[in-house]
Amino acid sequence: DVKVTQSSRYLVKRTGEKVFLECVQDMDHENMFWYRQDPGLGLRLIYFSYDVKMKEKGDIPEGYSVSREKKERFSLILESASTNQTSMYLCASSLIHGSKNQPQHFGDGTRLSIL
Amino acid sequence: QKEVEQDPGPLSVPEGAIVSLNCTYSNSAFQYFMWYRQYSRKGPELLMYTYSSGNKEDGRFTAQVDKSSKYISLFIRDSQPSDSATYLCAMSVNYGGSQGNLIFGKGTKLSVKP
Repeated sequence: DVKVTQSSRYLVKRTGEKVFLECVQDMDHENMFWYRQDPGLGLRLIYFSYDVKMKEKGDIPEGYSVSREKKERFSLILESASTNQTSMYLCASSLIHGSKNQPQHFGDGTRLSIL
Repeated sequence: QKEVEQDPGPLSVPEGAIVSLNCTYSNSAFQYFMWYRQYSRKGPELLMYTYSSGNKEDGRFTAQVDKSSKYISLFIRDSQPSDSATYLCAMSVNYGGSQGNLIFGKGTKLSVKP
């Protein structure tokens, strides 16, 4: 079974802090993704990475950055946390089989509150 | 027009009922269609994965894709209280590489009453 592990289930931080969210997958997947999920807005893609040290912006990258130094690990960084970044953050990974992406598998999320 | 539309519900049914969940979409290039189930305070879990048009069955679950109508459905037979969750549809064009990103519906919240 695919295992995507997010380091924290719940996190409380203060406005202006630099926040790190960590995600690790154990299935040697090429692709990794960060989403945020908000009521009424659904899942929105923040950043994704299809290889080590590669990253691409998703739909809402402003205020975020990412790091992928190893294939199994993808970090999301809030450079200076703001209250509007309070949300559920979900990490996902997927395999490339041939030239095709396979379905994404998700972690259980980090519920982040910015005070 | 949003790319993927999904009725948010909530949908409440008695145990044993047949449940029908639906999504419509506007991008005719979508080829891969998925349904995810998300329990409260958990991440989405892949339920069904289909390519192009047609039906796919897995136990009590059936996924249908009608590309001509740009309409996908998930049917749950003999629904159980354990099926109570939010169901998300997702789809992608899937050119391959980094181009296979998913577009999600906003989810339908389902409650199955004993």
